[in-house]
Order: sequence, then C-alpha cells, then structure tokens
Amino acid sequence: DTEVTQTPKHLVMGMTNKKSLKCEQHMGHRAMYWYKQKAKKPPELMFVYSYEKLSINESVPSRFSPECPNSSLLNLHLHALQPEDSALYLCASSQGDRGLEAFFGQGTRLTVV
Amino acid sequence: AQSVTQPDIHITVSEGASLELRCNYSYGATPYLFWYVQSPGQGLQLLLKYFSGDTLVQGIKGFEAEFKRSQSSFNLRKPSVHWSDAAEYFCAVETLSQGGKLIFGQGTELSVKP
Repeated sequence: DTEVTQTPKHLVMGMTNKKSLKCEQHMGHRAMYWYKQKAKKPPELMFVYSYEKLSINESVPSRFSPECPNSSLLNLHLHALQPEDSALYLCASSQGDRGLEAFFGQGTRLTVV
Repeated sequence: AQSVTQPDIHITVSEGASLELRCNYSYGATPYLFWYVQSPGQGLQLLLKYFSGDTLVQGIKGFEAEFKRSQSSFNLRKPSVHWSDAAEYFCAVETLSQGGKLIFGQGTELSVKP
C-alpha cells in the first residue's frame, strides 16, 4: 500500500466554522507533512511531524492547528479561516530520512466563504 | 539559502516530439533533487530523484533527468511526449532540515498538441 488518503476531497466552510482535514498512511512512514497549494503555484510547506512530534512550523497562522494522533494519522484543524485560505491542502509522508520519496495524497480542495 | 528556478512557466509541444524542462538550483552542498508531476486537481507523483552517483537518472513514464553540477541544473527530458503527459511539473530540492523539507520551483505547465 503506497497510498496517502485524504478526506474530505472537497470542503466548503464559512469563516466562523470549525472543520478538520484528515490524512492517513499505512506505509510505516515516520514523517508526515501538510502543504498548502494555491492555483498555479507550487506547494508551500506548512507543518512537518517527525516521529509524531511537530518538528517544523513554517510560521503558519494559529487558525490552522495540526495534530498527529499516531504514526499513521495526521489532522489539520481549521477555525475562523479567511477567504484567502481557500486552496488545495496536500498531505504527504516519507520515511523521514533525507532523500527518500515523499508520497502525496490527492489533496482536499478547501473553499472558505 | 536553497532555491529552485524553473525558467519556463508554460511549454507546448507536439505529441511525439521530444521534451526538455529546465531546472536550476542553488544549494551549498550536494543536493537531493526531485522531479514531481501533478495532474489538475491531483496530488504530486514522483517521477525521479537524484542523490549521487550516475548523473543521468531514469524515472517512471519514460522520463529521465541529467544532473550537471557545473551548471547547477537538473533538466527533465523525454524523447517522445504523449498526450497524457500534459500536466504541471515541479522540480524540488531537499534541504538539510529534519524531516526532509522540499523546496519547489514555480512549476512548468506542459501542454501537448495533437
């Protein structure tokens, strides 16, 4: 199984809503990532979890809150988002050592209204 | 600081023609380099990667890339493009940060005409 599964595929939320994005992998990978991708732009790293601990936070606003309940799961909790937060949110995982392939999920298309 | 430059925002090639997508990197040590492909609304798929050794690396879907240290380049090539190759292509370099942080270029959109 070389899949990273993200749910939901699409999400529309109001600026006062609270929602969560979910990501799951069963490859035994020890590093998991959240990326944000705007249209016609490259993915931008948001968070890295290594061995279930947050190792990188790229100065992401607090309205985005990551959580890694176990080595297979990664969540991104969303609260009080702005319309400019609308984007494709990609989850990825890798074995965590340098130079190893990162496997990406299909993404969650988020629209904030 | 590490960076990746893809000079071509959009390239159009005819089906069956050869393809070369350019990538230049800036990195202080031996880089770990990657090419990813992304179809519309989808995630990224790894085409190939370079760490060390043979400077010509083979990837999936008939792609190859050549690492040239003297030119700080890692260009992606394919001898004969298929219509299904139309997608966005990203070159990336991995940093020394824990967890293997990827820095992506701006991407090159490939269109294939019949």
